Amino acid sequence: GEDVEQSLFLSVREGDSSVINCTYTDSSSTYLYWYKQEPGAGLQLLTYIFSNMDMKQDQRLTVLLNKKDKHLSLRIADTQTGDSAIYFCAERGNTGTASKLTFGTGTRLQVTL
Amino acid sequence: DAGITQSPRHKVTETGTPVTLRCHQTENHRYMYWYRQDPGHGLRLIHYSYGVKDTDKGEVSDGYSVSRSKTEDFLLTLESATSSQTSVYFCAISESNPGGNIYGYTFGSGTRLTVV
Repeated sequence: GEDVEQSLFLSVREGDSSVINCTYTDSSSTYLYWYKQEPGAGLQLLTYIFSNMDMKQDQRLTVLLNKKDKHLSLRIADTQTGDSAIYFCAERGNTGTASKLTFGTGTRLQVTL
Repeated sequence: DAGITQSPRHKVTETGTPVTLRCHQTENHRYMYWYRQDPGHGLRLIHYSYGVKDTDKGEVSDGYSVSRSKTEDFLLTLESATSSQTSVYFCAISESNPGGNIYGYTFGSGTRLTVV
């Protein structure tokens, strides 16, 4: 089946850039997503990218997609303490009905002063 | 959150008892999903629905059943709860653009279930 992998933990200093990486195996992926989860909360959609794009920028967020290597990254510029959370990468395949999401295990981002 | 409400928000139940979690949406979305979240596993799909009375299994469906008798409600039932089903459960809907293409998914706030 489809698999999505992320590193478990990332620590950055406030003001620096954060880069969270994700790899996936499903070559039929149509959309790829980044979600943010703060402690005790649900998942908040940060951004998504369609598989025929290689970059998407939205304010402090930049998503890069290397479809050949099946690699997705999320760059957060000028990281703030409020960015501390778990970030999930997810991919949506193009097989079957309902286009289910497959999630990575999540990367915990810790922002230090 | 696109009108998604999960209930209850928290529940403690005993091993062997049946438990039903409810997901309610107000925006007439066709697709609804149940995920569970566990440390080290991210979110895993339990069951999903693509319409009233149309449901299918996800990757971790054993021990769970679902029902969708109305568009707005998607129920998840643990037929006989076990400690391994202690988890946080999330409901989600998928959103479509005017052309009908699914582009995004919105999640509810979650139900924290503890089986003792």
